[in-house]
Amino acid sequence: DVVLTQTPVSLSVTLGDQASISCRSSQSLEYSDGYTYLEWYLQKPGQSPQLLIYGVSNRFSGVPDRFIGSGSGTDFTLKISRVEPEDLGVYYCFQATHDPLTFGSGTKLEIK
Amino acid sequence: EVQLVESGGGLVQPGRSLKLSCVASGFTFNNYWMTWIRQAPGKGLEWVASITNTGGSTYYPDSVKGRFTISRDNAKSTLYLQMNSLRSEDTATYYCTRRGTTGIPWFAYWGQGTLVTVSS
Repeated sequence: DVVLTQTPVSLSVTLGDQASISCRSSQSLEYSDGYTYLEWYLQKPGQSPQLLIYGVSNRFSGVPDRFIGSGSGTDFTLKISRVEPEDLGVYYCFQATHDPLTFGSGTKLEIK
Repeated sequence: EVQLVESGGGLVQPGRSLKLSCVASGFTFNNYWMTWIRQAPGKGLEWVASITNTGGSTYYPDSVKGRFTISRDNAKSTLYLQMNSLRSEDTATYYCTRRGTTGIPWFAYWGQGTLVTVSS
């Protein structure tokens, strides 16, 4: 199975600062069709997860442009510029390139 | 507005069965793949099962293959998860999710979840 390793496990950020989360895959996530099925989800406290980013860098409808996804192959990053209070929660990366589909173990973002 | 409403969770003894339902609204149900995702208490997310828009194909990880069955009734806009031979490690909140419009992303919309507790 593909293992997605997220770092850091937790992150404490001052409001208005930037946060960066890494997601490293045990195998390349580029599919044979050339697409990279790497997505990012945020689970706010007490809520269901919500989609932020798909295809490495595409923001889902309604997601602020403060959320920026990047990367390729096995190395991916989610950057949150100008962190706001509503950004707190647990961030998960996810891959659908290889079967079985797998999630990273999560990164908890806290506000200082 | 897309809505996914799960039900059917509860307390069940090990080895017994339970069937979850997810009623969908706000979109044309038979156009979309659907998936169940679960989250054990205090833990991360785990893919449980997916089904194509017609119901013709289903997909599972090894952890539930042979015990869980995903199905759908497109006439009722309802997704199901039949869970047999339940184990304590199946204790989790189960989320119903819908795929994106173009097939990407996988989990564009989520329900509120239903809690399944497997315990004697």
